[in-house]
Amino acid sequence: GAGVSQSPSNKVTEKGKDVELRCDPISGHTALYWYRQSLGQGLEFLIYFQGNSAPDKSGLPSDRFSAERTGGSVSTLTIQRTQQEDSAVYLCASSLGLTGGTDTQYFGPGTRLTVL
Amino acid sequence: KNEVEQSPQNLTAQEGEFITINCSYSVGISALHWLQQHPGGGIVSLFMLSSGKKKHGRLIATINIQEKHSSLHITASHPRDSAVYICAVRRGNKLVFGAGTILRVKS
Repeated sequence: GAGVSQSPSNKVTEKGKDVELRCDPISGHTALYWYRQSLGQGLEFLIYFQGNSAPDKSGLPSDRFSAERTGGSVSTLTIQRTQQEDSAVYLCASSLGLTGGTDTQYFGPGTRLTVL
Repeated sequence: KNEVEQSPQNLTAQEGEFITINCSYSVGISALHWLQQHPGGGIVSLFMLSSGKKKHGRLIATINIQEKHSSLHITASHPRDSAVYICAVRRGNKLVFGAGTILRVKS
C-alpha cells in the first residue's frame, strides 16, 4: 500500500509480558517517528529515526521501551515487562526527512495496546 | 502550563457556521502542524506552517510567529468536519502536541 502500515492493529497482553509493535513507513521516507496516545493524556513523542543517524530516544518513558529500525525501513517498538500504564494507542509516522523538519508527517492507523 | 495550548477544548457548531480553533505555544519552533483525527480513525495532517497562511478547500490555517499563535478556520462547516483537531509544534526532532479540540457539527 501507499501509506504507513502498523501491526498488529490490536494487542491485548498480560502485565509483565513483552510486546513488539511493527511499523512499515512509506517507501522512500527517511524519517520515522513513534508516538503514544494515552486516554486523557493526548499525544506524546517517543522516538525519532532519521536515515543512518543515531535515533533521538528522548521521549521514551522508561528503559523498558526500545525501538529499532532495520535497513532504514521497517521499525519495531518493543516494550518489556509491560505495565497497565503502558495501555495506549501507539502511532507511527514517517516523512521525507527534510532539513529543519519542515515536512509533512504521514501517520499510520496505530496499534491499540491493552495491558491486563 | 503546557507548551501548546488549544482553545476551545470542545466546540459544537451548526452546519454552515464559520469555525475557529486557536493554538498558542510558548517556545521557539521550526514549524506548526494542524492534524485531524476522526473517532476511531487515524490521524491526518491538514497543514504544516512555518509562516503566513495556507488554504485547502474550506480549511484555512494562519500563523503569527511573533505572537506565537496559530488559528485553524473552517468555512461553511459540515457534519463530516466533526473530529478532533490537534495543533502540534516542531521542536528539534519531535512534535509537541496540544490537547486537541473536539468539534461537533450538527446538521
